[in-house]
Amino acid sequence: EDKVVQSPLSLVVHEGDTVTLNCSYEVTNFRSLLWYKQEKKAPTFLFMLTSSGIEKKSGRLSSILDKKELFSILNITATQTGDSAIYLCAVERGSNYKLTFGKGTLLTVNP
Amino acid sequence: NAGVTQTPKFQVLKTGQSMTLQCAQDMNHNSMYWYRQDPGMGLRLIYYSASEGTTDKGEVPNGYNVSRLNKREFSLRLESAAPSQTSVYFCASSEGFQPQHFGDGTRLSIL
Repeated sequence: EDKVVQSPLSLVVHEGDTVTLNCSYEVTNFRSLLWYKQEKKAPTFLFMLTSSGIEKKSGRLSSILDKKELFSILNITATQTGDSAIYLCAVERGSNYKLTFGKGTLLTVNP
Repeated sequence: NAGVTQTPKFQVLKTGQSMTLQCAQDMNHNSMYWYRQDPGMGLRLIYYSASEGTTDKGEVPNGYNVSRLNKREFSLRLESAAPSQTSVYFCASSEGFQPQHFGDGTRLSIL
């Protein structure tokens, strides 16, 4: 059975802090790992990672995948209150298009 | 562009009532998905349709049925609603191994 574990489950920081969110996984025939941000409604796509060691970056957010140790991290630097959200990690098998999600990390950024 | 549209946005049912949740996408995607999201549980796949004319069970299919009406539309039916089906339901679509796009969700309460 595929498994995705995110940590921490919740995190409270102050504006300007840097945070690191973790995602470990066990999946047969791994193809990719995805990060989504969920505010009040629909999860919105952040990154898709397929290769080890290659950092993906978008503004203050970055992510990297380690396929040997089976984990990924999502970094957010200089956090803002608008970064407050649930961050979801999901893995995809190569044999189909299904995603298995972790339980998410609830990030709260206080002013 | 509308992307993925779900109707209704909110619904309250009594135990034993039936209900169909509607989902439509305008991105010409082949694959569509139904998830439920419960507090602390992340997103769990109920059913998916890899292409028009096919449907398959996900992780939590019991108590649900689906219909892939055409390439655009994928509906989820609760034949006899139970309180355990109180949840937020998300529809998503994708093309091949591209990231899934999500609708804004349907918040369903069953009394």
